[in-house]
Amino acid sequence: AQTVTQSQPEMSVQEAETVTLSCTYDTSESDYYLFWYKQPPSRQMILVIRQEAYKQQNATENRFSVNFQKAAKSFSLKISDSQLGDAAMYFCAYRSAMTSGTYKYIFGTGTRLKVLA
Amino acid sequence: ETGVTQTPRHLVMGMTNKKSLKCEQHLGHNAMYWYKQSAKKPLELMFVYNFKEQTENNSVPSRFSPECPNSSHLFLHLHTLQPEDSALYLCASSQENRAGSGYTFGSGTRLTVV
Repeated sequence: AQTVTQSQPEMSVQEAETVTLSCTYDTSESDYYLFWYKQPPSRQMILVIRQEAYKQQNATENRFSVNFQKAAKSFSLKISDSQLGDAAMYFCAYRSAMTSGTYKYIFGTGTRLKVLA
Repeated sequence: ETGVTQTPRHLVMGMTNKKSLKCEQHLGHNAMYWYKQSAKKPLELMFVYNFKEQTENNSVPSRFSPECPNSSHLFLHLHTLQPEDSALYLCASSQENRAGSGYTFGSGTRLTVV
């Protein structure tokens, strides 16, 4: 069975600085997707960035980028130029790339990010 | 507009009440999910519906009863709940033949059982 681990319950970053959130996972599959979701106080979880396992290039979305290390099963999220609006819970998630049937996403326990003014 | 709408946003109910949570999506997705989010716990998958058919019931107590009348609507009927059922209940949808598309979540219903 797949598992997702976020070992940092809480992180803090100074506004305009860079922070990296860690995520490791375990799977025997070779093809899958990884995601980072953000859950602000408004509670709605928003997709921040996704990575396809068969792509070696790290995904980037504006100030958000990932460091995907397939062999190490590591998928960290880097937030550059942190803004107050980045304060939220961040969840790492895994999903098999199989498209037959219905496959659930496996979520980590989350990292609460605080941004200090 | 988030694409997935959940109502009500907040709900307080007694242990003997019966209430329902509603989720609606107009994204054309073919799968819908109920998740329970409790403090300091991973998201717990409760139910999965794929093309209106329930494909997963993750050992959820019978006091939670899902209903999916069509691919756009999902309900969670609640009865004789316990205080430990207090949590944020999240609905999500996805297009299951596009594995990398990710979920779209609603804003959740904050449920308090008194």
